[in-house]
Amino acid sequence: DIQMTQSPSSLSASVGDRVTITCRASQDIRNDLGWYQQKPGKAPKRLIYATSTLQSGVPSRFSGSGSGTEFTLTITSLQPEDFATYYCLQYNTYPGTFGQGTKVEIK
Amino acid sequence: EVQLMESGGHLVQPGGSLKLSCAASGFTFSDYSMDWVRQAPGKGLEWVARMRDKAYTYTTQYAASVKGRFTISRDDSKSLVYLQMNSLKTEDTAVYYCSRDSYGNPDYWGQGTLVTVSS
Repeated sequence: DIQMTQSPSSLSASVGDRVTITCRASQDIRNDLGWYQQKPGKAPKRLIYATSTLQSGVPSRFSGSGSGTEFTLTITSLQPEDFATYYCLQYNTYPGTFGQGTKVEIK
Repeated sequence: EVQLMESGGHLVQPGGSLKLSCAASGFTFSDYSMDWVRQAPGKGLEWVARMRDKAYTYTTQYAASVKGRFTISRDDSKSLVYLQMNSLKTEDTAVYYCSRDSYGNPDYWGQGTLVTVSS
């Protein structure tokens, strides 16, 4: 299986901050990468697929970049509703594998 | 509006069986592959099973951790997807989410159903 290494595992940030989360794949996954947001007790919500395509209805402060084995989720100007756990997912090879998650907490 | 609603989760003993159901609405169910993804308490996400749609001959795929024990199936006439779980282990304890597969990865998710495997 392809391993996804996500970093950091947690971070503290303030409203208005720029936040960057990274995922590294154990092998080339082209651009077959998605990002999900999960709040406590809720189902995950897809933010981005195909590395950089924003899911309909997701605010433009979320963006994704990368290719091959290195990928980034960026949140410009963090909002109160963005405090959550974020997961990357590679779907180039089944079974798809998720990163370990990044918990974004309020500083 | 796309809606997915899981049911069937409850407490079961190790070695037991359970069948989860997911009712879909708000989209043309037969056009989409469907997935089951689980999350153990306090842990991350694990993609468990996938069933492709008719255009892909209903191909199924499973995580190694459940292959041979779990079976995904669907009824396009009723917009339902199922997960039959046999020979359950304590490590199968998790919230099980049903999700629609779009562009090769889950887009919409249900609210989840809790499966607890314990004696």
